[in-house]
Amino acid sequence: DAKTTQPPSMDCAEGRAANLPCNHSTISGNEYVYWYRQIHSQGPQYIIHGLKNNETNEMASLIITEDRKSSTLILPHATLRDTAVYYCIVRDGGGSYIPTFGRGTSLIVHP
Amino acid sequence: GAVVSQHPSWVICKSGTSVKIECRSLDFQATTMFWYRQFPKQSLMLMATSNEGSKATYEQGVEKDKFLINHASLTLSTLTVTSAHPEDSSFYICSAMGPTPRTYEQYFGPGTRLTVT
Repeated sequence: DAKTTQPPSMDCAEGRAANLPCNHSTISGNEYVYWYRQIHSQGPQYIIHGLKNNETNEMASLIITEDRKSSTLILPHATLRDTAVYYCIVRDGGGSYIPTFGRGTSLIVHP
Repeated sequence: GAVVSQHPSWVICKSGTSVKIECRSLDFQATTMFWYRQFPKQSLMLMATSNEGSKATYEQGVEKDKFLINHASLTLSTLTVTSAHPEDSSFYICSAMGPTPRTYEQYFGPGTRLTVT
């Protein structure tokens, strides 16, 4: 699987959009971009994933660049409960995937 | 759907004893389960991968005789920490993956906090 690079920490104000970047310059054509988050002392939570098109669900939006070498997770209206570590992972869609996590981005949402 | 549970959520044990942690997929069949360990302020570290009915595959540096993994059914995997020592104190997280509900999607349990005194 390709490796990813994320900033170690970010912060944003409550109610504003949080834009979390991820670089994955060595991503392969059949690899997806997945985002998870981990709130303190809990298991990771799936947020969203995409292959090459932008995706949106009830939690967030995922913007993938045309060359697929980077992506941005957007939390449109961050709340205090969005404070967590956010992990960007690239992986293939098959059952042979071996999941590994980088250090992620620690997002702090402040009042 | 796609809920993964872990039991217990936390456990305190004395040094030298063994502790078993259960990971269950409640509403889907998990052909593959993963076990992670997470130390404070660090990322998840994959310990082992287990497929139902076969022996677990351990990551480099993880002692297979110390961390016994059993994946006897499509809904249950167990991690037994044998002869636990204080340095085994950590947050243990499992995840489960199967062909459904979303093909080879990884679903995580809530984690188990182990403290060895």
